[in-house]
Order: sequence, then C-alpha cells, then structure tokens
Amino acid sequence: DAGVIQSPRHEVTEMGQEVTLRCKPISGHNSLFWYRQTMMRGLELLIYFNNNVPIDDSGMPEDRFSAKMPNASFSTLKIQPSEPRDSAVYFCASSFGSSGSREQYFGPGTRLTVT
Amino acid sequence: GESVGLHLPTLSVQEGDNSIINCAYSNSASDYFIWYKQESGKGPQFIIDIRSNMDKRQGQRVTVLLNKTVKHLSLQIAATQPGDSAVYFCAENEGGGNKLTFGTGTQLKVEL
Repeated sequence: DAGVIQSPRHEVTEMGQEVTLRCKPISGHNSLFWYRQTMMRGLELLIYFNNNVPIDDSGMPEDRFSAKMPNASFSTLKIQPSEPRDSAVYFCASSFGSSGSREQYFGPGTRLTVT
Repeated sequence: GESVGLHLPTLSVQEGDNSIINCAYSNSASDYFIWYKQESGKGPQFIIDIRSNMDKRQGQRVTVLLNKTVKHLSLQIAATQPGDSAVYFCAENEGGGNKLTFGTGTQLKVEL
C-alpha cells in the first residue's frame, strides 16, 4: 500500500517567491497534519484537518502560511512570500482518527531551502 | 554568528547491548503515548504505543514502560543493532483527540 505521498521532495527557491507543498494522505484516513522540523525548534505541528475541515491552526507561524484540503485525498501548504527562516523539512502525516489507534503515518517530507 | 539549535540528548551503545531511552511528559491528562523512530532523511516511523491503563507493552525487540506517577515513559530496545541508529521521539495524546505532542527527541548511536 502507498504511504503518505509528498511533493516535491526538495524545493529551493528565492526569498519572496511563493512555495506550494503537496500531500496525498493514506486512503481512508480522515485526519491530516502538517508539521515543520528544524534544528532550532524540533518537530512543530502547524495545522491539522479532520474530515477536510481545519481543526487547529494555532501552530501556523504567520499569515504568510496557509493550508487547504479541498478533498479527502489532497492537501496543500502554501507559503507566500517565502523567507529564508522558512527553510525546514515539512512533513505531512495522516491518521484514521479513531479513538482506537491515534498513530500518525508520516510522509517522507519536503526539504525547503529559501535563499 | 553561530546558530544555536536544539541540543538532542545522545545515547551511545555497543552493538548487541540493550538501550533505554527516556522521556518525561508534561500533561497528566494524556492517556495515549507513542514512540517514533526517525532515520536520517526520512519521516518519523511508528514503533510502539501504549495506553494509560497499561504499565508495559512489548513488541518485537522493543518494550515501552509507562510510569504515570512521575509522568515518565521509556523505550527499551533489546540487542541493539546498527539499524537502530536514529532519533527517537515520544509523543503524547490527551483524551482521544487527534493531536500528538512530540518531545524533542533522543539520538541513539550504535557503535560496532
């Protein structure tokens, strides 16, 4: 079975440019999470969706960041305009969202470098 | 200037020895805990989980211990192998919601 799919795997862009990261969760999962990982701050939850609805976006650093989930099989995280301090690895994760197992399955990540 | 990053605790063990990785959690209302393994260049991978109504759970070569009194979680890896070298994260969840709160991680290095 395919796991969580993220694209691109690597992105290098110049400051001020728009960046769009993409995620396809595991089929059947109803919760989707966006994380950012840096050496400075570790693994941070940015936002998560339940049944395509944003539930908690308190981790989104500022208005330059936005996330959408137009359907159950696709989500985007957009940064506009990008800044060098946005350089990080961005992970998408999905889960079944039941009270039985709360395990989140992580994608391989997108390594973003903003110069 | 020099950038300051998270100082990950590091555990170095000899191949074949047992490893114990510790984690202190903060929320006494947390009732579900997970250990993840993250290898270099990859996303975190699930290892084992435990609910708060249990003190111990065993998997293949791994055991998780939970002490709710002192809010402490540990991961024991038996007969540590070079492939176990990674950063290990504990995560906690409260009340059945979907949000996991991750710890800062521990770097495990296996020496041959």
